[in-house]
Amino acid sequence: DAGVIQSPRHEVTEMGQEVTLRCKPISGHDYLFWYRQTMMRGLELLIYFNNNVPIDDSGMPEDRFSAKMPNASFSTLKIQPSEPRDSAVYFCASSLPTGIGEQFFGPGTRLTVL
Amino acid sequence: AQSVTQLDSQVPVFEEAPVELRCNYSSSVSVYLFWYVQYPNQGLQLLLKYLSGSTLVESINGFEAEFNKSQTSFHLRKPSVHISDTAEYFCAVSLYGGSQGNLIFGKGTKLSVKP
Repeated sequence: DAGVIQSPRHEVTEMGQEVTLRCKPISGHDYLFWYRQTMMRGLELLIYFNNNVPIDDSGMPEDRFSAKMPNASFSTLKIQPSEPRDSAVYFCASSLPTGIGEQFFGPGTRLTVL
Repeated sequence: AQSVTQLDSQVPVFEEAPVELRCNYSSSVSVYLFWYVQYPNQGLQLLLKYLSGSTLVESINGFEAEFNKSQTSFHLRKPSVHISDTAEYFCAVSLYGGSQGNLIFGKGTKLSVKP
C-alpha cells in the first residue's frame, strides 16, 4: 500500500483566498483524522470521520474551516477565507477500527498564508 | 480528562550516548500508550506501543519504553543513539476501548544528536 496520500505537499496563498487540502487514506481504513501542527500549539486534532461520517469536529477552529469525506477513499479540508494565522502543517491520518488508536499519518501539507 | 506531558521540549545528546525521553500521562481509566517519531519534513510514524502484557516494549531500531502504572509514565530510552535518531518524538495515549478519536498527543520532544 502507498500509505496515506496528501496533496498538495506545499501551498502558498494570499490572505482571503480559498484553500483545499486533499487526503487519500489507506485502503480498508475506516477512520480518517485531520490534524494541524504549529510551533506554538503543537499537534491538534481538528476533526475525524468514521465510515465517511464526521464524528467529532470540536477541534475545528472556526467556521472558516470545513471538512468533507464524500467516499471511503477521499477527504478534503477547506479553509475559506484563509488568514495568515492558518499557516501550519496539516496532517491527515487513517486507522483501522480496532479501538486501539494506532494511526498512520500522511506526509503533510505545509500551508503558508501571506 | 486525559492529558500527556512530555517534560523536555528539547534534548541535545552526543552520538553513542544514552538518552531518555520522558512522558507522563493522566487518566482515570486504562490507556494504551504510544511513541511516534517525526523526522524532518515528514509525517509521524509509530515507533512502539504498549497495549497489554509485558511492560517493556521495544522497537526495531533499538528504542525501548517501559510502562509504569504507579508512576503513570512511559519513558522512551535508547542506550546508544545515532545521528539518524535526530527527530521529534511524540508520546500519545488512547483510551482502552475508547473511540478512535481519543488519541491524545504530548507536545513533543526534539532529540538532537550531535557528532
